[in-house]
Amino acid sequence: GDSVTQMEGPVTLSEEAFLTINCTYTATGYPSLFWYVQYPGEGLQLLLKATKADDKGSNKGFEATYRKETTSFHLEKGSVQVSDSAVYFCALSGGQGGKLIFGQGTELSVKP
Amino acid sequence: SAVISQKPSRDICQRGTSLTIQCQVDSQVTMMFWYRQQPGQSLTLIATANQGSEATYESGFVIDKFPISRPNLTFSTLTVSNMSPEDSSIYLCSVRPGTSEGTQYFGPGTRLLVL
Repeated sequence: GDSVTQMEGPVTLSEEAFLTINCTYTATGYPSLFWYVQYPGEGLQLLLKATKADDKGSNKGFEATYRKETTSFHLEKGSVQVSDSAVYFCALSGGQGGKLIFGQGTELSVKP
Repeated sequence: SAVISQKPSRDICQRGTSLTIQCQVDSQVTMMFWYRQQPGQSLTLIATANQGSEATYESGFVIDKFPISRPNLTFSTLTVSNMSPEDSSIYLCSVRPGTSEGTQYFGPGTRLLVL
């Protein structure tokens, strides 16, 4: 079945460092891909998405490119801030019934 | 997008009791979902609750334990029945608007602790 695998955390970075969180997927067909963010004590917020191969999603300085050839959707940010500390979830939507399938989540901690 | 509210935001319950969680959306949507997030874990889909049909449960979840109502296109409830400490989790509802290209929008979650 469809699945999502994320880079394990926690990830600890200094402010202004470069961030990459790896995400790969297995799916039949052509799924849409998402990054969601969960700040401490809150629900999930959509960070960005891409619906077809080579699309780049971007938001708040974060970017991810839908790479069909490598089945990947890695999240990047050039300069992280303390306020980016959160758990990041990669997900895909492509099967019957509109289900979202989530990766295990990656906790990011940014230190001043 | 969609704005979703959940009640209660958190609760502490005794084992053996039941809790009903409400989910309210600011627009009419057909597809609504209920997820569980156990401490430190990812999200697991409990069931899909589409208006006008019975809820569809995922493997490992049953209607007797997690009954769901979906009386209209803006509201749903999830009941956690006969609770045990293992039910301590965050419960989230989400919606998938018809034009969203698969995007789901989530409520803030209900944080449940069962003693």
